[in-house]
Amino acid sequence: AQKVTQAQTEISVVEKEDVTLDCVYETRDTTYYLFWYKQPPSGELVFLIRRNSFDEQNEISGRYSWNFQKSTSSFNFTITASQVVDSAVYFCALSDRTQGGSEKLVFGKGTKLTVNP
Amino acid sequence: DTEVTQTPKHLVMGMTNKKSLKCEQHMGHRAMYWYKQKAKKPPELMFVYSYEKLSINESVPSRFSPECPNSSLLNLHLHALQPEDSALYLCASSQGWATSYEQYFGPGTRLTVT
Repeated sequence: AQKVTQAQTEISVVEKEDVTLDCVYETRDTTYYLFWYKQPPSGELVFLIRRNSFDEQNEISGRYSWNFQKSTSSFNFTITASQVVDSAVYFCALSDRTQGGSEKLVFGKGTKLTVNP
Repeated sequence: DTEVTQTPKHLVMGMTNKKSLKCEQHMGHRAMYWYKQKAKKPPELMFVYSYEKLSINESVPSRFSPECPNSSLLNLHLHALQPEDSALYLCASSQGWATSYEQYFGPGTRLTVT
């Protein structure tokens, strides 16, 4: 069965520290997609990145970077020089395509990041 | 423009009321979703519409009734809700109904059932 584990429930850092959010997944599929979403206190989930299973290149976008390793089934997210505005709950998600053709996302439980000034 | 709008932002309703949540997107997306999110939990999928047809109903109680009047609009009609239905209701859309597409979420409606 598809499963996403975000073992870190809450992380607290001081501004300008680097922080890594872990995501480990289990999948029966050979082709799959991984996502990260940010949910600030306002409630809206903000799409951050999509990665397909054939692309293991790491990605960097400004202060954000993602490390995808199929060998360890992990898709970790690093924020460099964290800022107070990074405070949010971060969800990792995995595509789930059933034999019946139904498609949906499986979310991890989320990691709440607090960046203190 | 990657915006999904939802109205109202907050809703308080009694267990005998009938109300509706509305969602709109103008990105030309052909798939739209309703999610329910309880505090400190991830979103739970309720319904998926693809090309204005209901594609997934995750065994949601009939007191929740979705409607997709056109490709840009998605409604969720509420009737005879229970206090445990109090949650954040999120609407999302994506280019197509396939998990290869990223979903864009609205700000949500925070529903309280009294």
